Amino acid sequence: QQQVRQSSQSLTVWEGETAILNCSYENSAFDYFPWYQQFPGEGPALLIAIRSVSDKKEDGRFTIFFNKREKNLSLHIKDSQPGDSATYFCAASGTQVVGQLTFGRGTRLQVYA
Amino acid sequence: DMKVTQMPRYLIKRMGENVLLECGQDMSHETMYWYRQDPGLGLQLIYISYDVDSNSEGDIPKGYRVSRKKREHFSLILDSAKTNQTSVYFCASSFRDRAGNTLYFGEGSRLIVV
Repeated sequence: QQQVRQSSQSLTVWEGETAILNCSYENSAFDYFPWYQQFPGEGPALLIAIRSVSDKKEDGRFTIFFNKREKNLSLHIKDSQPGDSATYFCAASGTQVVGQLTFGRGTRLQVYA
Repeated sequence: DMKVTQMPRYLIKRMGENVLLECGQDMSHETMYWYRQDPGLGLQLIYISYDVDSNSEGDIPKGYRVSRKKREHFSLILDSAKTNQTSVYFCASSFRDRAGNTLYFGEGSRLIVV
């Protein structure tokens, strides 16, 4: 059973739209939720992260909405650009195991101009 | 310059041959990782190393072993490679001191086993 589940393998939006990527998790001990962005031919890189004490984290056009009761979160990319086309990984970890992230399978986002 | 460097970037091996993937980092991170990435499966943790000679199995360690003799260097070894080990392998590193640390990934090593 997947500990971190991303609901869509792929998502397509037009330039200027808001892309919404969804993620859910099983383990109640998870309290740190980063999103990693990966471009083709590159390694993943941290995009934005949230801790379970917060319900929202914003960084420019990127916002995480977090619902602890429902064990789900979403990444909103406002005013999507073609340069945002990448694979996005939702991940989770708990304070019990330092640094050991559990990754979702990723959502491939395509933004058309 | 914060960087994780992987060598080689591309490798073709025959089934049964040994494979050595090497990873270096210049950030003095205590913790290093090896992941493999396959289409539709995301990133799967093979091994994690908390420091020199302090290695732990991840989720899919079978068929792999690791070596960490220096803090800045972490190797992944495949003894007698199998075709199902064809994948892209990523090394990563992070500080250890608290949960929620950022992982810094290398650019990946694409291995094809024929």
